[in-house]
Amino acid sequence: SQKIEQNSEALNIQEGKTATLTCNYTNYSPAYLQWYRQDPGRGPVFLLLIRENEKEKRKERLKVTFDTTLKQSLFHITASQPADSATYLCAERAGNMLTFGGGTRLMVKP
Amino acid sequence: DAGITQSPRHKVTETGTPVTLRCHQTENHRYMYWYRQDPGHGLRLIHYSYGVKDTDKGEVSDGYSVSRSKTEDFLLTLESATSSQTSVYFCAISPADGIGGYTFGSGTRLTVV
Repeated sequence: SQKIEQNSEALNIQEGKTATLTCNYTNYSPAYLQWYRQDPGRGPVFLLLIRENEKEKRKERLKVTFDTTLKQSLFHITASQPADSATYLCAERAGNMLTFGGGTRLMVKP
Repeated sequence: DAGITQSPRHKVTETGTPVTLRCHQTENHRYMYWYRQDPGHGLRLIHYSYGVKDTDKGEVSDGYSVSRSKTEDFLLTLESATSSQTSVYFCAISPADGIGGYTFGSGTRLTVV
């Protein structure tokens, strides 16, 4: 069965740098991959969606890539700020259900 | 979150008692979902609904039942709560077109003692 894998270790970076988070899938190529942000005590918030036939998607300081050869999606935050500190979740959409990875916690230090 | 509310926000209950969590939406979305979130397991789908009285099981449905008698309400019931059901429960909604992100509620923290 499909698994969505994210690095469970926290990512610590300095303010102003680019944060890069990784999402790997184990089996078939998903039709869509989605990225969410989750703050402590809150529900996930949808950020970006990328389709299988799209290489890259951008939204303001956010960029998502989708590499079907590597079975991987990368999520980039440029010019990171302390306010970007949160847990970021990757999710595969199959039909009308989402399967989530475990999330990666990002800490941006001033 | 706008358009979706969960109640209660926090609940402590005793083992063996029934518990019902409520999810209410004002977006008129067809699809509604219940997830649980636990450390080390991430978000896991319990049940989902694709219309009034239309529901299906997710990955971790044992010990849970759901009902949807109106478009706006999706209820999750723990028939006889166990300590393993201590978790944070999230409801989510999705447009009928199957494209686009989910909107999540703020969650219900349930503790079974």
